Amino acid sequence: SQTIHQWPATLVQPVGSPLSLECTVEGTSNPNLYWYRQAAGRGLQLLFYSIGIDQISSEVPQNLSASRPQDRQFILSSKKLLLSDSGFYLCAWSLEGGGGNTIYFGEGSWLTVV
Amino acid sequence: GQNIDQPTEMTATEGAIVQINCTYQTSGFNGLFWYQQHAGEAPTFLSYNVLDGLEEKGRFSSFLSRSKGYSYLLLKELQMKDSASYLCAVRDPVNSGYSTLTFGKGTMLLVSP
Repeated sequence: SQTIHQWPATLVQPVGSPLSLECTVEGTSNPNLYWYRQAAGRGLQLLFYSIGIDQISSEVPQNLSASRPQDRQFILSSKKLLLSDSGFYLCAWSLEGGGGNTIYFGEGSWLTVV
Repeated sequence: GQNIDQPTEMTATEGAIVQINCTYQTSGFNGLFWYQQHAGEAPTFLSYNVLDGLEEKGRFSSFLSRSKGYSYLLLKELQMKDSASYLCAVRDPVNSGYSTLTFGKGTMLLVSP
């Protein structure tokens, strides 16, 4: 069966510091990978998605970036965090292709920028 | 683009039935999902509808009407553990072999004794 794991679970970072959130998927090959953010009182916002290694699309312009160095590894980064980057970050995966494939979420990472 | 509306909050009593509605306006439709999200946790998949009608899964059922841009999630025999946020999500049109989900803001359901 497939599993998804992301870390760290929680972190508190000062404004201007860098960020790295990591996510790995096991039990499948060539998954579609996603990073979502959920800010307080708001819905899930898609940040990045990837259909393959080094194939990443950004949905929202911001100071975040994503990389996929390996087939089942997805990394969310920032060089300098802003207060507005605080939120609940969720990595997710689905089977390759588009039609009807359910998106499954990792455990989430709580980021507080102070 | 996609626009998804669902009520912000609902309350119900243990053992009762509750219906959570979701309406959507989309430039294309490729399926509708319901997720459950407990406070502080990640969303978990509940149901998927792509054709009109009712899909039943135990105590949970989901209905879709594509012509009306409308779906609902029906929860029967409510339990305290059903207190959570319920997210309606629409799959965007497939583009180059992939598609993504656009989520509503979620409906917070509070089940009381």
